[in-house]
Amino acid sequence: DVKVTQSSRYLVKRTGEKVFLECVQDMDHENMFWYRQDPGLGLRLIYFSYDVKMKEKGDIPEGYSVSREKKERFSLILESASTNQTSMYLCASSGGDDEKLFFGSGTQLSVL
Amino acid sequence: QKEVEQNSGPLSVPEGAIASLNCTYSDRGSQSFFWYRQYSGKSPELIMFIYSNGDKEDGRFTAQLNKASQYVSLLIRDSQPSDSATYLCAVDTGRRALTFGSGTRLQVQP
Repeated sequence: DVKVTQSSRYLVKRTGEKVFLECVQDMDHENMFWYRQDPGLGLRLIYFSYDVKMKEKGDIPEGYSVSREKKERFSLILESASTNQTSMYLCASSGGDDEKLFFGSGTQLSVL
Repeated sequence: QKEVEQNSGPLSVPEGAIASLNCTYSDRGSQSFFWYRQYSGKSPELIMFIYSNGDKEDGRFTAQLNKASQYVSLLIRDSQPSDSATYLCAVDTGRRALTFGSGTRLQVQP
């Protein structure tokens, strides 16, 4: 089974801090994704990557950046955390042209 | 116009009934359609996918796709309380990433 692991289940940070969310997958998937999920808004795509060192902006990339130095790891970076970035962050991966997503367990980030 | 639309619910059905969940999408070029189930406090898990017009059945679940009308639906037969969850419709929009609807909350009453 595909395993997508997010480093933290809950995270509390202060406004202005730089925040790193880490995601690792163990199935040699080419594609990795970061979504955020907010009540009533569903999942919104922040960034995705289909290869090492490649990245594509999603629908809401403002205030975020990403890093993919190794195939199995995809990091989401909040350059200067703000309260409106309080959310559930979900990492997902998929293989090649297969669009079926496998999700990590999520990180609930609170920015105070 | 949102790209993928779902009624937020809650949709309440009695145990043993058929639950019908609907989703419409705006991109006529979309080719792949997915249904994810998300229990409260958990991450989404894939339960069905469909690529061609018509019906696709898997156990108690049936996905229906009508590309001309741009809708996809999920039927759950013999609904169980354990089916109570939020169901997310996801559609490919040609950029290798899925676009999700906001989900429909299903409540199955014992």
